[in-house]
Amino acid sequence: GENVEQHPSTLSVQEGDSAVIKCTYSDSASNYFPWYKQELGKRPQLIIDIRSNVGEKKDQRIAVTLNKTAKHFSLHITETQPEDSAVYFCAARLSYNYGQNFVFGPGTRLSVLP
Amino acid sequence: NAGVTQTPKFRILKIGQSMTLQCTQDMNHNYMYWYRQDPGMGLKLIYYSVGAGITDKGEVPNGYNVSRSTTEDFPLRLELAAPSQTSVYFCASSSGTGAYNEQFFGPGTRLTVL
Repeated sequence: GENVEQHPSTLSVQEGDSAVIKCTYSDSASNYFPWYKQELGKRPQLIIDIRSNVGEKKDQRIAVTLNKTAKHFSLHITETQPEDSAVYFCAARLSYNYGQNFVFGPGTRLSVLP
Repeated sequence: NAGVTQTPKFRILKIGQSMTLQCTQDMNHNYMYWYRQDPGMGLKLIYYSVGAGITDKGEVPNGYNVSRSTTEDFPLRLELAAPSQTSVYFCASSSGTGAYNEQFFGPGTRLTVL
């Protein structure tokens, strides 16, 4: 089955700096990679996603890159702000599974220091 | 639309008790999922459903049961609760149409088994 690893587990940056979170996946059949932000005590919420036929996607201060050959994808947050502090999860979805199952990484706790 | 709703928000169970976690979505989504999230960890898939009458096991199904009699509802049943089932439970849904579908999460149920 699919396995998703995520690094680092914790990340502290100064406000205004960039943050990068990296994920690797094991199954080359995965074709959709969403990123979720989870604030303390809240539900996960989708912040950006990327499909396997795209190498990069941007949405304002957030970008995601995908390297299918190496089977890894990364989340980039520029000009970080205190409200970016949260736990971020990456996920991979297997294309051949009719249930559209998602496998999540263990999460990265991002702290943006003022 | 209310999106995905879950009840109860909090519950404390004694070892050996049973309960049902309720999940309802009003987006006419075919796919529904149950995840558990242990403290400081990622999301683990318990069960999922691709439509009314169809359910299947995820990564951690032991100790749980589900049913899907309608498109809207996907209850999760805990039989003989154990301390290892202390967790936050999230229900999610997605449309399932097309190849790339965002998962929408409910607010979660925080369960403690003592």
